[in-house]
Amino acid sequence: AQSVSQHNHHVILSEAASLELGCNYSYGGTVNLFWYVQYPGQHLQLLLKYFSGDPLVKGIKGFEAEFIKSKFSFNLRKPSVQWSDTAEYFCALGAGAAGNKLTFGGGTRVLVKP
Amino acid sequence: KAGVTQTPRYLIKTRGQQVTLSCSPISGHRSVSWYQQTPGQGLQFLFEYFSETQRNKGNFPGRFSGRQFSNSRSEMNVSTLELGDSALYLCASSYGQTTDTQYFGPGTRLTVL
Repeated sequence: AQSVSQHNHHVILSEAASLELGCNYSYGGTVNLFWYVQYPGQHLQLLLKYFSGDPLVKGIKGFEAEFIKSKFSFNLRKPSVQWSDTAEYFCALGAGAAGNKLTFGGGTRVLVKP
Repeated sequence: KAGVTQTPRYLIKTRGQQVTLSCSPISGHRSVSWYQQTPGQGLQFLFEYFSETQRNKGNFPGRFSGRQFSNSRSEMNVSTLELGDSALYLCASSYGQTTDTQYFGPGTRLTVL
């Protein structure tokens, strides 16, 4: 069975601060990893994804994430946040070739103070 | 391309009733997945359909069922509604047969009274 855990449930930052959200997964096989964002009142949107290759992936809006296989981690980062980054962030795991089933972490609510 | 659409957007039902939710995937996408989102349990996978066949199923009771039509549109049905079924039901579509990027719809907010 696979699982995903996100360490922080709530994060409060000031604008221009750096952001790092932790994500760890449990699965013994090949993984595909995703970060999704849910802005207030909007639907889930893909920020970035890792399937293979360069473990440092860049996504939209200045976000990046690093896949560290030895640590079973896929942490999300942004060097300088803006008020518009206020949202809930979800890490998700897609495992193997058995179809499109995503296992989500519990989410991290990020509040950026202007 | 138009995104994933879900209808209705809001539903209010009473315990014991049944409900059907609809999802239209992005044009050309053949996989449709359903998720339940609640404050307590977060996002949980319900099931996935690909080319009209259910490929994966999550840990939900048999009251939750779904189907997919030849045009890839999908419906999910919940029978004998319980208060705990109140949730946001999300549909996601993707193109491929193996793990692929999923694009989510806005969801249907179901309230069970």
